[in-house]
Amino acid sequence: GENVEQHPSTLSVQEGDSAVIKCTYSDSASNYFPWYKQELGKRPQLIIDIRSNVGEKKDQRIAVTLNKTAKHFSLHITETQPEDSAVYFCAALNSNYQLIWGAGTKLIIKP
Amino acid sequence: DAGVTQSPTHLIKTRGQQVTLRCSPKSGHDTVSWYQQALGQGPQFIFQYYEEEERQRGNFPDRFSGHQFPNYSSELNVNALLLGDSALYLCASSFSIYEQYFGPGTRLTVT
Repeated sequence: GENVEQHPSTLSVQEGDSAVIKCTYSDSASNYFPWYKQELGKRPQLIIDIRSNVGEKKDQRIAVTLNKTAKHFSLHITETQPEDSAVYFCAALNSNYQLIWGAGTKLIIKP
Repeated sequence: DAGVTQSPTHLIKTRGQQVTLRCSPKSGHDTVSWYQQALGQGPQFIFQYYEEEERQRGNFPDRFSGHQFPNYSSELNVNALLLGDSALYLCASSFSIYEQYFGPGTRLTVT
């Protein structure tokens, strides 16, 4: 069935360095790709999203890139800070308008 | 402007019982989606309501049902509870299908 694969499952980076999380989707009709940040015990928070008519979108230290041909998209966080530590989820809206989620990446920022 | 709210925050039920969870969407939003999130996993789509009708449904049994009211608020009902139904139940609201914003969730424990 349709799925979204997310890598890595855990990512540990030094404070100030960049972090990249990658996702691959299977439904070629998907046209909307949000990223959510979930801190322990809290709700998922929408941090950035991209639609299929755009290849890249940036918001301060966060950027998302989309390659529709290869069916993958990535989250880039630059100048990481301790408050960036959380679990990050990618998702893809399939042809049935359902959000299919990745398994999540635990991002650890080392001081 | 209040964001998405959910009630109750926590709930403990016994196997076989029935439960009703409630969600009030963010002002201006007309679509409510429900998700189940098991510990350490990404949210799983249950169903989505728009104009008081179930628009899409994920791979959940008929024990899971819902409702949307004219003021766009929504309920999730689960009958004949199983131990495996223990999870965090999240509701997300949106205007159309994009940019879903999540409530704080209801933690359901089935004993």
